[in-house]
Amino acid sequence: QSALTQAPSASGSPGQSVTLSCTGTSSDVGDYNFVSWYQQHPGKAPKLMIYEVNKRPSGVPNRFSGSKSGNTASLTVSGLQAEDEADYYCSSYAGSNNWVFGGGTKLTVL
Amino acid sequence: QVQLRESGPGLVKPSETLSLTCTVSGGSIISSSYYWGWIRQPPGKGLEWIGSIFYSGSTYYNPSLKSRVTISVDTSKNQFSLKLSSVTAADTAVYYCARPKVTEWSFDLWGRGTLVTVSS
Repeated sequence: QSALTQAPSASGSPGQSVTLSCTGTSSDVGDYNFVSWYQQHPGKAPKLMIYEVNKRPSGVPNRFSGSKSGNTASLTVSGLQAEDEADYYCSSYAGSNNWVFGGGTKLTVL
Repeated sequence: QVQLRESGPGLVKPSETLSLTCTVSGGSIISSSYYWGWIRQPPGKGLEWIGSIFYSGSTYYNPSLKSRVTISVDTSKNQFSLKLSSVTAADTAVYYCARPKVTEWSFDLWGRGTLVTVSS
């Protein structure tokens, strides 16, 4: 299984919206609606932000939303805030109790 | 509030075996709702799923690491463990234990992580 593909970096100004993409294959992202997104601040553990493509855990602001089309999943952060600056990783279930992660996108709030 | 905490040596010599333990507190490791897993992150790089285990002992490993990885569970101690053999410098990473939720297939709880350096 290969890592999911994410752009290394993205940026946006406060208040703007930014969309991060995550491309997999027909064996992972394209085959399962079990894409999740994680936010990681420097020196901290990842935090689950989105699961099952578009569901938010309790406590995650509704500024974060997810979607999927074919083999590509997306995370949209609306109304960007300074605290949203972090690394974001996507992950997909790949069947047979296997998971695959993306390489991560560093989001900068300008 | 369930918490996960990794423990183990921070320095391992090349060719030796890396051993880490994750202690589950605030809840039981015996649950039909969760698996228990290990994920690592080399310095400055992305996340890599290593493997997972169910409380019954069923294990699942990343195919790229399968020949070197063993994950086990000790329900009496509420712990699960990772062993990675024949380590090299490429295995230097922050190792996280995490909890993948059955049916949602996402990691909803993470430990703080522990840095393991492979060096002589």
